[in-house]
Amino acid sequence: QSALTQPASVSGSPGQSIAISCTGTSSDVGNYNYVSWYQQRPGKAPKLIIYEVSNRPSDISNRFSGSKSGNTASLTISGLQAEDEADYYCISYTSSSTLVFGGGTKLTVL
Amino acid sequence: EVQLVESGGGLVQPGRSLRLSCAASGFTFDDYAMHWVRQAPGKGLEWVSGIDWNSYTTGYADSVKGRFTISRDNAKNSLYLQMNNLRTDDTALYYCVKDWGNQWLGGWEVDYWGQGTLVTVSS
Repeated sequence: QSALTQPASVSGSPGQSIAISCTGTSSDVGNYNYVSWYQQRPGKAPKLIIYEVSNRPSDISNRFSGSKSGNTASLTISGLQAEDEADYYCISYTSSSTLVFGGGTKLTVL
Repeated sequence: EVQLVESGGGLVQPGRSLRLSCAASGFTFDDYAMHWVRQAPGKGLEWVSGIDWNSYTTGYADSVKGRFTISRDNAKNSLYLQMNNLRTDDTALYYCVKDWGNQWLGGWEVDYWGQGTLVTVSS
């Protein structure tokens, strides 16, 4: 099972919107609405920000949103803030009954 | 307060075995599925294994299937990972992770992580 493909890095200025893609195959992202996104700040445990493609836990800002088209899921962060600077990971359930992460994306707020 | 405390990591030679443990507290352990996730130094996250609340179903990443075994003892509020035939690419920080629900299959929604235990495989 190969890792999902994410861009290594993205950047944006405060107030802007950015999107992070997560590309898999028809055996994972494309076949299930079981894509989650996690934010990991330096030295901290990852935190769930999106589950089942587009759902947000109650304590997560509505600046975070998720979507999916075909084999690619996306995380969008609007109104970028300095505190959003972190690593972001997607993860999907697979047809092999396993779970596979993306390689992670480092978000830099300029 | 939910606490997950891993132990059992260390330096081990290739081909040898190691058993990781995770002591859970602050929640009803046997209500939830649990996972092991690892992160190699400077690298990304890798899901390793998951187990249902009642141990009925387990799952493994392809990279560890046949070498690692996940188990739990609900009476002791503990999660385990038996790692056999270790390889150098198993070197990582291993995290014990609590699921939202009682089954690990499907979406991966987790809410608590331990601090991790470091496994170094080297000759």
